[in-house]
Amino acid sequence: DGGITQSPKYLFRKEGQNVTLSCEQNLNHDAMYWYRQDPGQGLRLIYYSQIVNDFQKGDIAEGYSVSREKKESFPLTVTSAQKNPTAFYLCASSISRGGQETQYFGPGTRLLVL
Amino acid sequence: AQSVTQLDSQVPVFEEAPVELRCNYSSSVSVYLFWYVQYPNQGLQLLLKYLSGSTLVKGINGFEAEFNKSQTSFHLRKPSVHISDTAEYFCAVSDIQGAQKLVFGQGTRLTINP
Repeated sequence: DGGITQSPKYLFRKEGQNVTLSCEQNLNHDAMYWYRQDPGQGLRLIYYSQIVNDFQKGDIAEGYSVSREKKESFPLTVTSAQKNPTAFYLCASSISRGGQETQYFGPGTRLLVL
Repeated sequence: AQSVTQLDSQVPVFEEAPVELRCNYSSSVSVYLFWYVQYPNQGLQLLLKYLSGSTLVKGINGFEAEFNKSQTSFHLRKPSVHISDTAEYFCAVSDIQGAQKLVFGQGTRLTINP
């Protein structure tokens, strides 16, 4: 059963703490993406990766970091430098980097600050 | 750079009535156009996309959209809605050149009343 899994479903962060959101795909897709969703603002791109060991900043990368050591995995770390991390985080993948490709989304992780 | 404007943040409709969700975009280059649907606390699912060719695009669940280049619009329509269509709908664009970086609109919440 192919798809994208994100874990955990809910995550709580304390002040000054780094937290890591997991994203795994078994679709054999080359490209992966991280988006942040806030109410009334749609989705905004945080980071994307077109190939293993390579990634680029999106529109709102400050306070976040990523790695792409394996094709199927693209974890996102929300660092203590991100002052307003409360949001719904969505991971996506596409078969290639072409603009026409459909992005497939995971179920999301909701991050809350304690 | 591209931008997307969804003209209605909320659209209430009675069951079996027709609906149109409006989307306008701005771009200095040619774009691909997408509509995604998001059910509560879930990821996004592709409804339809316009890449080239016929300007009327048919998607899943009986939805269709029409690309109007002169008006830079890509409105989504359904002739008769069902309770199960209650969801948030996002319009998005991507540059036809280079990596696929989706730019999303703010979303339209469609509520179907019995």
